Amino acid sequence: TQLLEQSPQFLSIQEGENLTVYCNSSSVFSSLQWYRQEPGEGPVLLVTVVTGGEVKKLKRLTFQFGDARKDSSLHITAAQPGDTGLYLCAGARVYGGATNKLIFGTGTLLAVQP
Amino acid sequence: ETGVTQTPRHLVMGMTNKKSLKCEQHLGHNAMYWYKQSAKKPLELMFVYNFKEQTENNSVPSRFSPECPNSSHLFLHLHTLQPEDSALYLCASSQGTSGRREQYFGPGTRLTVT
Repeated sequence: TQLLEQSPQFLSIQEGENLTVYCNSSSVFSSLQWYRQEPGEGPVLLVTVVTGGEVKKLKRLTFQFGDARKDSSLHITAAQPGDTGLYLCAGARVYGGATNKLIFGTGTLLAVQP
Repeated sequence: ETGVTQTPRHLVMGMTNKKSLKCEQHLGHNAMYWYKQSAKKPLELMFVYNFKEQTENNSVPSRFSPECPNSSHLFLHLHTLQPEDSALYLCASSQGTSGRREQYFGPGTRLTVT
């Protein structure tokens, strides 16, 4: 069973601080997605990275896909209370031909205190 | 605003009850999914449907019975559940099951089995 491990599991920081969340695996993924889930809601797709070494920015969020496509990071600059939520990474792998499986990470619960 | 809706949002049922969860997607997608989200566990994929046909069943107990009458609707029929089945049940859809498989989630049904 492939596993996508995220670290840290929990993070509580003050508004204005920077933080980085990591998503690691021993498996290679064809693409990797990041989702944010707020309490009482389903996950919402933030970004998809496809190419090894790719960097994508979404306002104060910076996403990077590892060169070997086995890991990814999410960096948040000047965190705000609205960033609070569960951050999930999900890697897509090809199985038996064209079928893709999406494997979700263990999650990072972020709380940004005002 | 999400294009995937789920009802009910909350459900409490006894172990001998029979109930159904409903999911509807308004995104024109072809694939639909049921996931189980429990505390301290990664998202668990339960079932996948593509063009109304079930393509994946990840060893889900038979007390969970999915139904997909068309590409826009997905049901999860529940009967004789166990307390450990209490969780958030998420429905998702995507444009096919190959490629990036970016998923769009509904808000979930919080299920409590007493």
